[in-house]
Amino acid sequence: ELKVEQNPLFLSMQEGKNYTIYCNYSTTSDRLYWYRQDPGKSLESLFVLLSNGAVKQEGRLMASLDTKARLSTLHITAAVHDLSATYFCAVDIRRETSGSRLTFGEGTQLTVNP
Amino acid sequence: GAVVSQHPSWVICKSGTSVKIECRSLDFQATTMFWYRQFPKQSLMLMATSNEGSKATYEQGVEKDKFLINHASLTLSTLTVTSAHPEDSSFYICSARGEVDNEQFFGPGTRLTVL
Repeated sequence: ELKVEQNPLFLSMQEGKNYTIYCNYSTTSDRLYWYRQDPGKSLESLFVLLSNGAVKQEGRLMASLDTKARLSTLHITAAVHDLSATYFCAVDIRRETSGSRLTFGEGTQLTVNP
Repeated sequence: GAVVSQHPSWVICKSGTSVKIECRSLDFQATTMFWYRQFPKQSLMLMATSNEGSKATYEQGVEKDKFLINHASLTLSTLTVTSAHPEDSSFYICSARGEVDNEQFFGPGTRLTVL
């Protein structure tokens, strides 16, 4: 059974600081996604990582993928309060009988304090 | 592009009644749609995979007779929660998979409260 584990689950950081969220998964995958969720809202797509070594950046967020280590990271640079949200990684696994499906990590609740 | 809508955005119902939630892909055709459930402070859990014109595939532990899924067209899937009980109160999110790239696009969610 596929397991997707995020670390840490809760992160409180000060504005201006850097930090990394980790996403480990237990089986081979074609692709990995990062999403943001604000309270009471649905998911907002942040990054799609399609291959080993992929790195994508948008503003203060940068995501990377190491398929050999089955690890993805979401790095936050110089955090600002607006980044406070819950961040999920999700791994896409193809199933023979029913196509691909996403398995989500537990989520990392990020709070950026002034 | 790639917009998915859900209706209603929230619903409150009495225990024992049935509730229907619609999921529409507005600007693309989706042969596959997914239904997720999210309890407070938890992650998304896949309930079922819905394919246009065929029966839905339910995840282990999800009662197919309680959560009825219909995917009658390439742009619409519905989830009906039958005989709802307070423990069914949750945030229900659908997603639709486009024909290109295999990426899933998520709807805004429906918050169900069963009294």
